Amino acid sequence: DVKVTQSSRYLVKRTGEKVFLECVQDMDHENMFWYRQDPGLGLRLIYFSYDVKMKEKGDIPEGYSVSREKKERFSLILESASTNQTSMYLCASSLWGGGAPGKAFFGQGTRLTVV
Amino acid sequence: KNEVEQSPQNLTAQEGEFITINCSYSVGISALHWLQQHPGGGIVSLFMLSSGKKKHGRLIATINIQEKHSSLHITASHPRDSAVYICAVRGGGADGLTFGKGTHLIIHP
Repeated sequence: DVKVTQSSRYLVKRTGEKVFLECVQDMDHENMFWYRQDPGLGLRLIYFSYDVKMKEKGDIPEGYSVSREKKERFSLILESASTNQTSMYLCASSLWGGGAPGKAFFGQGTRLTVV
Repeated sequence: KNEVEQSPQNLTAQEGEFITINCSYSVGISALHWLQQHPGGGIVSLFMLSSGKKKHGRLIATINIQEKHSSLHITASHPRDSAVYICAVRGGGADGLTFGKGTHLIIHP
């Protein structure tokens, strides 16, 4: 079974802190994604990456950056955490090959609270 | 940008009932996912469809590409089916999924 592992289930950080959310997948997937999930808004894409050192902005990249130095690891960085970044963050990965998108696998989520 | 609409938003039913959740999207896609999210946040991918119908146990997913519509059916529903069901679509590129807002399903014993 594919495993997508997020480093923390729950995090509490202070306003202005730099926050790192880590995601690791063990199936050699090319694509990795970071989403946030908020009540009434559903899941929204923050950033995605289709290869090492490659990244693309999603729908709501403001206030975030990402890093993909190794294929299996995709990090989401909150440069200066703010209270409106309190949310559930979900990482996902999928294969990419031959133009056919692969099934998406999700991590267990990180519930981040910024105080 | 694809618009994904799910209905109903909330659904309450008795154990054993046949459940249907609908998903419509506005722009042609390469694949549609049905996801299940239990309390606590964990998301499981139930189906990925690009055409026709798929069945897994008591779950059936169908997609009509021409009508840009998909349905998720649960036969003989059970309280453990209580969860949020989310429809998500992907276009032809490598970008991420576009999600519906989810259907909150509660099955009473």
